[in-house]
Amino acid sequence: DVKVTQSSRYLVKRTGEKVFLECVQDMDHENMFWYRQDPGLGLRLIYFSYDVKMKEKGDIPEGYSVSREKKERFSLILESASTNQTSMYLCASSFMGGSYEQYFGPGTRLTVT
Amino acid sequence: DQQVKQNSPSLSVQEGRISILNCDYTNSMFDYFLWYKKYPAEGPTFLISISSIKDKNEDGRFTVFLNKSAKHLSLHIVPSQPGDSAVYFCAASAGTSYDKVIFGPGTSLSVIP
Repeated sequence: DVKVTQSSRYLVKRTGEKVFLECVQDMDHENMFWYRQDPGLGLRLIYFSYDVKMKEKGDIPEGYSVSREKKERFSLILESASTNQTSMYLCASSFMGGSYEQYFGPGTRLTVT
Repeated sequence: DQQVKQNSPSLSVQEGRISILNCDYTNSMFDYFLWYKKYPAEGPTFLISISSIKDKNEDGRFTVFLNKSAKHLSLHIVPSQPGDSAVYFCAASAGTSYDKVIFGPGTSLSVIP
């Protein structure tokens, strides 16, 4: 079974803090993705990576950065957390050139106060 | 501007009846479509997909229909079961751009026993 794990299920941070969200997958997938899910907006892509040390901006990259030092691990960084970054964050992975099927982690509910 | 639209935020259906979830898209370059299901506090899980060379794909109780000329697809669940109560996301890919998919806003399905 494909497994995508995220470091925290719930996180509460203060405005201005630097926040790290970690994601690990165990299926040797080339592609990894970070989304945020907000009511009425669905899943919006923040950043994705198709190889180690490679990253591409998604639709809403402002205020975020990412790091992929190892194939199995993809980190999302909020440089200076703001209240409008309160959201559900979902990590996903997939094979490159496959069926586009992405495997998701359980999500991290981040609250910024 | 949403490229993938799900105009019904919610849907209620009696157990045993058919559930029909609709999805419209605007980008004529999309050539692969997926449906995901999401329970609360869990990540989305892949349900069924369809390539643009087909107009129907069936997997057990789930069937997806694609009407390319109308840029419309639908997911049929027959018969609906209480365990089908979840949020359903429609997603689409253009076959390029590093296997990215674009997600719709989701439809919350409630199957009433």
